Amino acid sequence: KAGVTQTPRYLIKTRGQQVTLSCSPISGHRSVSWYQQTPGQGLQFLFEYFSETQRNKGNFPGRFSGRQFSNSRSEMNVSTLELGDSALYLCASSLSPQPSNQPQHFGDGTRLSIL
Amino acid sequence: DQQVKQNSPSLSVQEGRISILNCDYTNSMFDYFLWYKKYPAEGPTFLISISSIKDKNEDGRFTVFLNKSAKHLSLHIVPSQPGDSAVYFCAASTYSGAGSYQLTFGKGTKLSVIP
Repeated sequence: KAGVTQTPRYLIKTRGQQVTLSCSPISGHRSVSWYQQTPGQGLQFLFEYFSETQRNKGNFPGRFSGRQFSNSRSEMNVSTLELGDSALYLCASSLSPQPSNQPQHFGDGTRLSIL
Repeated sequence: DQQVKQNSPSLSVQEGRISILNCDYTNSMFDYFLWYKKYPAEGPTFLISISSIKDKNEDGRFTVFLNKSAKHLSLHIVPSQPGDSAVYFCAASTYSGAGSYQLTFGKGTKLSVIP
């Protein structure tokens, strides 16, 4: 069974550009969450999608956005990139949004570097 | 305000001994707790979890203890093996409305098991 697939694995951008990251969840999983991991900061919740609807959003500026398609694949977009956006972006999927029913499965992430 | 704290950034343990990783939380609305393990260049993988109505959950070499009154949980690994060397994240779940559950992660503890 294929796991969560994130593309690309690595990305280099410059300040002011925008970027789109992609996540393909495990087949059948309808809940997709995005996290940002920076050194020493753990995983910070960005947003969660279920059946193409954003149901929860973390404390990030409006430059961070996302969407989910009918096949549950998800994309996140960051506009007007800043140096501080350099991070590992992780996507996680699950059958049910409730962790006690099924924990989230993570992809290997996209490493975004801003020059 | 950090709601989930892992106060030890790193821990070194001899192979065969017990590893104890600690986690403290402040939000009394957290009702489910999880531990994830992360190797370099890979996404976090689920290890073990515990509901807030229990005080212990065991799975092979891994046991999680929850002290609700102290808002403290710990992960015990016995015996520790070199392959356990990784970063361990503590996560806590709370219902955030509209059918969505949000995970809040600690900053992680890097465990090194010395052969």
